[in-house]
Amino acid sequence: AQSVTQPDIHITVSEGASLELRCNYSYGATPYLFWYVQSPGQGLQLLLKYFSGDTLVQGIKGFEAEFKRSQSSFNLRKPSVHWSDAAEYFCAVGARNTGTASKLTFGTGTRLQVTL
Amino acid sequence: GAVVSQHPSWVICKSGTSVKIECRSLDFQATTMFWYRQFPKQSLMLMATSNEGSKATYEQGVEKDKFLINHASLTLSTLTVTSAHPEDSSFYICSARGTGGIGELFFGEGSRLTVL
Repeated sequence: AQSVTQPDIHITVSEGASLELRCNYSYGATPYLFWYVQSPGQGLQLLLKYFSGDTLVQGIKGFEAEFKRSQSSFNLRKPSVHWSDAAEYFCAVGARNTGTASKLTFGTGTRLQVTL
Repeated sequence: GAVVSQHPSWVICKSGTSVKIECRSLDFQATTMFWYRQFPKQSLMLMATSNEGSKATYEQGVEKDKFLINHASLTLSTLTVTSAHPEDSSFYICSARGTGGIGELFFGEGSRLTVL
């Protein structure tokens, strides 16, 4: 079974600073990988996804993530954080052997706080 | 993009009553929908997989008689929390599987249930 680890429960960065949120996964092969963002009391919005091909994927709102097979990681990055980026971020893994990316396993989330 | 809507966004009910939450795919047909539960400051836990025209598949530990799921059409799935108790208070999020590609998930806005 797949699993996802987000080692950082809470991160605080200053507006304009760079950001990296860590995500490590456990899966027997290359999984489908996702990053979602959740604002308080809201559902999840997909930031970006990795299925295959280029290991550096670009998403919405200026986010990017890099799939590193050797490290079983899919870290999320943003070069300059805006105050509106404050939210909860979830990394998720979908098993390829199901044929779809539907059944996802989520990490525990990282809460991002942005100081002005 | 694909839009999934949940209703109500929040509901307060008395202990012992039943509450129904609707999940609709607004601009696409969803043969498969998923229901998640999220406790405060925690990740999403998959409760069940809802397939149009057939019985839902529940995850281990989820009471199927407590959480009734109906997927009567290609655009609507409902979750009914029966005989609700305070411990059922939670944030419930649905997602629908897209029809293109590998069927990535699109999430609703979530429904917060408070049982008094």
